[in-house]
Amino acid sequence: DGGITQSPKYLFRKEGQNVTLSCEQNLNHDAMYWYRQDPGQGLRLIYYSQIVNDFQKGDIAEGYSVSREKKESFPLTVTSAQKNPTAFYLCASSIPDPSNQPQHFGDGTRLSIL
Amino acid sequence: QKEVEQNSGPLSVPEGAIASLNCTYSDRVSQSFFWYRQYSGKSPELIMSIYSNGDKEDGRFTAQLNKASQYVSLLIRDSQPSDSATYLCAVYSGGGADGLTFGKGTHLIIQP
Repeated sequence: DGGITQSPKYLFRKEGQNVTLSCEQNLNHDAMYWYRQDPGQGLRLIYYSQIVNDFQKGDIAEGYSVSREKKESFPLTVTSAQKNPTAFYLCASSIPDPSNQPQHFGDGTRLSIL
Repeated sequence: QKEVEQNSGPLSVPEGAIASLNCTYSDRVSQSFFWYRQYSGKSPELIMSIYSNGDKEDGRFTAQLNKASQYVSLLIRDSQPSDSATYLCAVYSGGGADGLTFGKGTHLIIQP
């Protein structure tokens, strides 16, 4: 079955630590996205990539980094510079023009501070 | 700044009644409109999409779009307890992969 796999489901970060969230898709989608969701809030775009080896900052990119070395994979690193990382992180994918192909989401990673 | 506004709720509806969820958006050139359902602790799942003015029906769900009023709604007929969730409105305004803006969602509670 085609889909998006995020891992781990739960992640804990220590002070000053970088952590990496995995996102893999087998939908053959060119575009991939990372969103952050805080309680009672909508989804806010962190980074997106429309093609391999290219990515763009979203609305809240500070304290985060990404790479897109393979079409299937779009990992997100939450760096120590992100002072409030506790949130629900969602990875999504779509064809590059989402106007007719809404984004498909993975099951999410819940990140907390130890 | 593109904005998508939803009443956060909670919206409480008796089982079997019609639930009506509303969404307004700021960008007049918005092209595509989506409704996602999100259960607590889970990821959003697409339930409806609409691209032109009027109504679009899919089972118990009807999406309504009025571009002149910049308003999109979702009606759920014969509401069931399993419909209790947060409903996110999303609006695509063009400009490529980052053109999708989400509202904060409406929390719907169906009372048995």
